[in-house]
Amino acid sequence: AAGVIQSPRHLIKEKRETATLKCYPIPRHDTVYWYQQGPGQDPQFLISFYEKMQSDKGSIPDRFSAQQFSDYHSELNMSSLELGDSALYFCASSLTGTGTNEKLFFGSGTQLSVL
Amino acid sequence: RKEVEQDPGPFNVPEGATVAFNCTYSNSASQSFFWYRQDCRKEPKLLMSVYSSGNEDGRFTAQLNRASQYISLLIRDSKLSDSATYLCVVNGGGGSYIPTFGRGTSLIVHP
Repeated sequence: AAGVIQSPRHLIKEKRETATLKCYPIPRHDTVYWYQQGPGQDPQFLISFYEKMQSDKGSIPDRFSAQQFSDYHSELNMSSLELGDSALYFCASSLTGTGTNEKLFFGSGTQLSVL
Repeated sequence: RKEVEQDPGPFNVPEGATVAFNCTYSNSASQSFFWYRQDCRKEPKLLMSVYSSGNEDGRFTAQLNRASQYISLLIRDSKLSDSATYLCVVNGGGGSYIPTFGRGTSLIVHP
């Protein structure tokens, strides 16, 4: 079965550069979430989209933005990168319809290293 | 105080042991609960949903105690391959549909 696809798997950037992470959710899933996970930390919610509209916003810096496109793929854009942005970035998708009993399915993540 | 709290461990147990983890949550209006498993540097994978009536999947049993606001995960007959971090996820409550993760409990099963 198709899973959540994220690209790239690894990304190395320098401070103040920009980065774009991509996520392709499971077909027919209508909700996409972005999480940031630092070393030894729990995944921190950044932002989510439902049917291509932003639905919730978490601890996402103003330097970051995200959108979901007509084909349901999502991109997380990160500008003015800082050393502290180095982390694993996960995208997850789910299918709404059962209230909050939505199971998240995660992509393999993008490891961002800011030097 | 974090919304979802877990003992980070590590829990170091021999093969064949039974081990239990708890997770407490602060939002009494939370509506759905899950356990995820995460291997080092990999994505979290759904282990099981947690229902009020409790549920079992093979060697794994999950329980929800709404009155005390905690969920538990019991692993029987631990295998070496069970070594991982177990993340508690709580969703819903107060109009929020953001799945919130605990910090995870590290389990190490040794021979």
